[in-house]
Amino acid sequence: EVQLVESGGGLVQPGGSLRLSCAASGFTFSNYDMHWVRQATGKGLEWVSAINTAYDTYYEGSVKGRFTISRESAKNSLYLQMSGLRVEDTAVYYCAALRAYSYGRNGFDLWGQGTMVTVSS
Amino acid sequence: DIQLTQSPSFLSASVGDRVTITCRASQDITTSLAWYQQKPGIAPKLLIYAASTLQSGVPLRFSGSGSGTEFTLTINSLQTEDFATYYCQQLKSYPPYTFGQGTKVEIE
Repeated sequence: EVQLVESGGGLVQPGGSLRLSCAASGFTFSNYDMHWVRQATGKGLEWVSAINTAYDTYYEGSVKGRFTISRESAKNSLYLQMSGLRVEDTAVYYCAALRAYSYGRNGFDLWGQGTMVTVSS
Repeated sequence: DIQLTQSPSFLSASVGDRVTITCRASQDITTSLAWYQQKPGIAPKLLIYAASTLQSGVPLRFSGSGSGTEFTLTINSLQTEDFATYYCQQLKSYPPYTFGQGTKVEIE
């Protein structure tokens, strides 16, 4: 079965750290660029970060310098190390997959179920 | 950054209606646009990519059109299961791969 499964969410105090994981199965992980997208309760989708098959990394402005995306091909896994967390980082975090070298010709066709991150004192 | 503006933000419709949602980009994104459907508590689902290509398994009542800066998602003969929130997303350049703010389709 083709799936992405996130884990690692939870409650953390402002300024704290958290590491999210996303386990991929049922497809060739190395053929996909991987992304993190978040959604605050009752709000829209916000792209957060990406790592392509060449391990180049990209970040949305408000998380740059605080979040680090990585992937491990041997484990078919994607990670998001989050530090310096702020109340406004509270959201459901989804991992999503985009076929590599799409050049705009595809969309995010695989999504995980999401993991909730709550930043609160 | 490329900005996407969807309209309307909210619409009320009945089963059987034809519904059109518009997405406008702040600059030319050729046809690098995708549409997603999201229901409460569930991850988004890809409906259309490259502005007009239907994702496998998506019903034919969904269609997309447009290029450059203006795009539309049309749902012909709205069904009960189509009541959801719809998002457009540009994939022309990143970071960031911007999403529109969403359009919630509710039962009239």
